[in-house]
Amino acid sequence: DSGVTQTPKHLITATGQRVTLRCSPRSGDLSVYWYQQSLDQGLQFLIQYYNGEERAKGNILERFSAQQFPDLHSELNLSSLELGDSALYFCASSSTPARYGQPETQYFGPGTRLLVL
Amino acid sequence: DAKTTQPPSMDCAEGRAANLPCNHSTISGNEYVYWYRQIHSQGPQYIIHGLKNNETNEMASLIITEDRKSSTLILPHATLRDTAVYYCIVRPFSGTASKLTFGTGTRLQVTL
Repeated sequence: DSGVTQTPKHLITATGQRVTLRCSPRSGDLSVYWYQQSLDQGLQFLIQYYNGEERAKGNILERFSAQQFPDLHSELNLSSLELGDSALYFCASSSTPARYGQPETQYFGPGTRLLVL
Repeated sequence: DAKTTQPPSMDCAEGRAANLPCNHSTISGNEYVYWYRQIHSQGPQYIIHGLKNNETNEMASLIITEDRKSSTLILPHATLRDTAVYYCIVRPFSGTASKLTFGTGTRLQVTL
């Protein structure tokens, strides 16, 4: 158990709908990362938040957005869903921001499996 | 981030050591080598990381060559539960972006 929790575990929805995935980082971790894993793309970085602020963006679609709340949990919002958005979505957290020059270890949650029909 | 090259698959008998190689010939001086594994669609699990010295923890050992252009992850006594995809990742420890860039990894199959 990494200490990172994600809800829901499974999500089935229809095209055009909107869903929200939730992540609670390990106690004390300030950074939260979102990754998408689809069959044809592998594990892809989407976005990073640090202490409530967006820190870095990857290949995140404009239909997707995220935020990190004062209690440090994070939500990933996916809207206007398409069949191709079906994937595993992982959240990871870490305690050391890169700017301090320390090696950083990310710990992953169990993921949310999204199926768009 | 430096690119890594790993064999797509390997087999290992249960109880034997599993040695997973990784080439990272373009690694820079400030880049660490990280290993993660993913067991059947579960979240990636951190295993170990190192800069230039060999490292060991309760899960595995990491051997980094002197020129740092390659490394080997060693699972000393592989079990069936070690069957997974193993990812070797090279990334800097400083900077504003801290994403992990996953390649295709090595699929390790541990057999009886």
